[in-house]
Amino acid sequence: RKEVEQDPGPFNVPEGATVAFNCTYSNSASQSFFWYRQDCRKEPKLLMSVYSSGNEDGRFTAQLNRASQYISLLIRDSKLSDSATYLCVPHGGYSSASKIIFGSGTRLSIRP
Amino acid sequence: DTGVSQDPRHKITKRGQNVTFRCDPISEHNRLYWYRQTLGQGPEFLTYFQNEAQLEKSRLLSDRFSAERPKGSFSTLEIQRTEQGDSAMYLCASSLWRASNYGYTFGSGTRLTVV
Repeated sequence: RKEVEQDPGPFNVPEGATVAFNCTYSNSASQSFFWYRQDCRKEPKLLMSVYSSGNEDGRFTAQLNRASQYISLLIRDSKLSDSATYLCVPHGGYSSASKIIFGSGTRLSIRP
Repeated sequence: DTGVSQDPRHKITKRGQNVTFRCDPISEHNRLYWYRQTLGQGPEFLTYFQNEAQLEKSRLLSDRFSAERPKGSFSTLEIQRTEQGDSAMYLCASSLWRASNYGYTFGSGTRLTVV
């Protein structure tokens, strides 16, 4: 089983739609969780951390389910500028070996 | 110092040549990471440093790859006798240990093309 598995997509949705991605991870010792966004031919950029209680940042909502070892990202009222690849990143935390393993990402395309 | 910088941005080299890339992390970050990314894939871990110590190196990394961080600041990644399969984006990232909730900051990458 891969350490991080994501639905590769592509998700092709109209502007204004709500879209959700899931990501499963295999390392139950993971302590920190992040979503990164990567535009075509650019570097990944941190989108948001994912907290145990779930968290929201504007149109973006992240959820964590430790029991089932999955993380989700919900984007509401999607914009054209949301088109990107979204990378799920579980992390062992500062006390671990500390390298992070990326999934292959979920590609999102927003159409006008 | 506003972020992680990498040099060069692009490198085209002939097969068999050696190449060296440089990464300057965010100055207060003590951890530095190298990743490689090919089209359609997520970044693949290569190696990382805490200060000047190289703490882990991917088993996927052949002996042709070597990385250094001599003074715990900037780092270099050298690829010897390049092969076409080395063509990829090489990403450097840095982070502050004990700040695991802050994630990593990536540089813009060095795109290597081996012809």
